[in-house]
Amino acid sequence: EPEVTQTPSHQVTQMGQEVILRCVPISNHLYFYWYRQILGQKVEFLVSFYNNEISEKSEIFDDQFSVERPDGSNFTLKIRSTKLEDSAMYFCASSVIGTEFNYGYTFGSGTRLTVV
Amino acid sequence: GNSVTQMEGPVTLSEEAFLTINCTYTATGYPSLFWYVQYPGEGLQLLLKATKADDKGSNKGFEATYRKETTSFHLEKGSVQVSDSAVYFCALNNAGNNRKLIWGLGTSLAVNP
Repeated sequence: EPEVTQTPSHQVTQMGQEVILRCVPISNHLYFYWYRQILGQKVEFLVSFYNNEISEKSEIFDDQFSVERPDGSNFTLKIRSTKLEDSAMYFCASSVIGTEFNYGYTFGSGTRLTVV
Repeated sequence: GNSVTQMEGPVTLSEEAFLTINCTYTATGYPSLFWYVQYPGEGLQLLLKATKADDKGSNKGFEATYRKETTSFHLEKGSVQVSDSAVYFCALNNAGNNRKLIWGLGTSLAVNP
């Protein structure tokens, strides 16, 4: 069964450093997403990406965040200058256009980001 | 706005017990409703879904019925197994161009042998 792959599974970084979280969505999927879950809190939508541009973003997704699809397979989330409150589990997801209402997204296993 | 409320965990059951995890929602329009499961060390997996009122989603012995009159989508299983130990998330997605999922807090389930 096709999978969404995220790397690394766990990243520790110092406050103020840049981090890049990587995701390889399912190859025939067209919509890509990042969500995050701060420990003990709800999963929160960050951004959706389609046709090489952001289609929707939440208020969490400020200028410190950016997404990119640098080649045909990777989808990355960059945090320019990490803060302690960015510590969370970050989930990547992808979906075939128009079908997520029926089948839901396919999620990766997540990257746990710890900012110290 | 849209929101999802789940019963708080953790829930601890013995094997073969009956499981109910409550989920209620607030939404404009006619959302699709989902249950996702996260097994230890793994990602979020779609467990079941319902896209309109009175639909019943089912998978792996789990069921949930979309109740518009009570704005609920409670998850049930008649006889849980140790392998069902996981965190369960209720979520909704409103129709149209808004493709993002709105999530509940998640309910941790531990099943003891």
